Amino acid sequence: ELKVEQNPLFLSMQEGKNYTIYCNYSTTSDRLYWYRQDPGKSLESLFVLLSNGAVKQEGRLMASLDTKARLSTLHITAAVHDLSATYFCAVEWSGNTGKLIFGQGTTLQVKP
Amino acid sequence: DVKVTQSSRYLVKRTGEKVFLECVQDMDHENMFWYRQDPGLGLRLIYFSYDVKMKEKGDIPEGYSVSREKKERFSLILESASTNQTSMYLCASSFAYEQYFGPGTRLTVT
Repeated sequence: ELKVEQNPLFLSMQEGKNYTIYCNYSTTSDRLYWYRQDPGKSLESLFVLLSNGAVKQEGRLMASLDTKARLSTLHITAAVHDLSATYFCAVEWSGNTGKLIFGQGTTLQVKP
Repeated sequence: DVKVTQSSRYLVKRTGEKVFLECVQDMDHENMFWYRQDPGLGLRLIYFSYDVKMKEKGDIPEGYSVSREKKERFSLILESASTNQTSMYLCASSFAYEQYFGPGTRLTVT
């Protein structure tokens, strides 16, 4: 059974600081997704990581994937208040079907 | 831009009612999905569909059924709503490795 675990589940940080969210998953998968969700809104796709060693960056967010360790990280650099949201990672359940298993979500609060 | 729409943003129903949640996508995607989202649990897959009239159970199908009569429309049905089905329901469609989510329906069952 594929399980996806994120940590931490809640993160309060000061503006300007760096931090990392971790996403561990239990069985082999080659696709990992990161999404952002603002309160009361739907999910917005941030990154799709398709292979071992993949690294993608967008603004102050950088995601990486280590399929051997079954670990993805979402690194936040010099956080700003606008990054406050809930972040989900998700792993594709079985090949090429789009079936995703989600982590619990990490709620990020960036304080001025 | 891909658009996934859901019929209602908020819905309040009574225990025992039959509830229909509708989802429509405009990009001719073959794969469509229904998730429910609960605090601390993330999103959990209820049902998905590869094609018209095709459906498969996800992680938590109990108490739900689905219908896909047309490619663009995927309906989630609660045959007899119960209070433990109070949740946020999200529909999605996918093509290749991109998955697109609708705005969600917050369902309250009283």
